[in-house]
Amino acid sequence: ETGVTQTPRHLVMGMTNKKSLKCEQHLGHNAMYWYKQSAKKPLELMFVYSLEERVENNSVPSRFSPECPNSSHLFLHLHTLQPEDSALYLCASSPEPGLLGANVLTFGAGSRLTVL
Amino acid sequence: DAKTTQPNSMESNEEEPVHLPCNHSTISGTDYIHWYRQLPSQGPEYVIHGLTSNVNNRMASLAIAEDRKSSTLILHRATLRDAAVYYCILRPGHNAGNMLTFGGGTRLMVKP
Repeated sequence: ETGVTQTPRHLVMGMTNKKSLKCEQHLGHNAMYWYKQSAKKPLELMFVYSLEERVENNSVPSRFSPECPNSSHLFLHLHTLQPEDSALYLCASSPEPGLLGANVLTFGAGSRLTVL
Repeated sequence: DAKTTQPNSMESNEEEPVHLPCNHSTISGTDYIHWYRQLPSQGPEYVIHGLTSNVNNRMASLAIAEDRKSSTLILHRATLRDAAVYYCILRPGHNAGNMLTFGGGTRLMVKP
């Protein structure tokens, strides 16, 4: 247990479904992130939130919609996904963005998404 | 962004030291060198980081070349639980964000 909890761990959905991934951290961190890990590809940063405000969006398609209602919770809302969106979605948190040197990411175990 | 180069895979015997290399020839003076590892079916976990001096912690040691263009992660006694993908990452020290960019990493296999 890393202190970052992701649910569900596994999700299978059709292309017309709407689902959400949830991430929760109890580390007192102020920044949260979504990463995507596809097979045989490096981790891709999707979204960054700092103090509940989005500070980075790496050109992610609009079918992925993040929500950060408070500094402990992060959601990724999914709708009309494509089979190529099947991947491991990882949530992470850090004490602060921009804190020099010692700012370390703590990752959750990920949510394995399969789009049929 | 400065990039890193790592071997795709390495093998080690259990209870022997492991030296995982990383080249970062375009590193800037304010870039920190971070190492993470990802065990099977888990998210990445922080291992160690440094700027100029060698660093030690309970998990590993980080040896940084004098010119900072390369570094080596040292596992002093590999165990089967150390089998993972190891990522060497540069993080800008002056950046307002924490945009760690992960490359392909090195897959470490540990033989009993």
